[in-house]
Amino acid sequence: GAVVSQHPSRVICKSGTSVKIECRSLDFQATTMFWYRQFPKQSLMLMATSNEGSKATYEQGVEKDKFLINHASLTLSTLTVTSAHPEDSSFYICSASAPGVTDTQYFGPGTRLTVL
Amino acid sequence: QKEVEQNSGPLSVPEGAIASLNCTYSDRGSQSFFWYRQYSGKSPELIMFIYSNGDKEDGRFTAQLNKASQYVSLLIRDSQPSDSATYLCAVFWAQKLVFGQGTRLTINP
Repeated sequence: GAVVSQHPSRVICKSGTSVKIECRSLDFQATTMFWYRQFPKQSLMLMATSNEGSKATYEQGVEKDKFLINHASLTLSTLTVTSAHPEDSSFYICSASAPGVTDTQYFGPGTRLTVL
Repeated sequence: QKEVEQNSGPLSVPEGAIASLNCTYSDRGSQSFFWYRQYSGKSPELIMFIYSNGDKEDGRFTAQLNKASQYVSLLIRDSQPSDSATYLCAVFWAQKLVFGQGTRLTINP
């Protein structure tokens, strides 16, 4: 149980384009999903917390107009990197927690974004 | 700023020995503590969680928590080369996980 998928696993795009990453909880309903970013040899940094049906809560320093998050259903959240630039190249990882168990998070496999 | 501190390593342990990974945290009110394993290029995988003071064992893994000292550790018995990875300590605070920088562990055959 507690399987989270992400799509795509890897994406290469040109500077200035937008990229959408999907995160799905496959065998449970996730009231809360989290988006992280990890640069090489660094730890995970939380970007935003996403609750189904409401606006995402962004961490300090994360531009909400650049990183658009939508959590339209209990099994799907999307992150759109708008007008991507090379400095946005990173490993983006989502996680999900089950209703009432917000502290235990299960991670998706991650999406490696490379912006040329 | 809530902080979680880990020794970044690398920590080298011979195969079959016990690997000991340590973590300290700054928020005395934290209640939930997690250890994740992350292989290079992969996302974190939950290994163990612990809520109460003392030890919690799961197979070859033992998590230890000491809230008075704000210290949580992970012991890996009978270390295997497949245990070579980065181990992330995480503390649940204000409805989110705060991660340490991770300890890179290498098990030498």
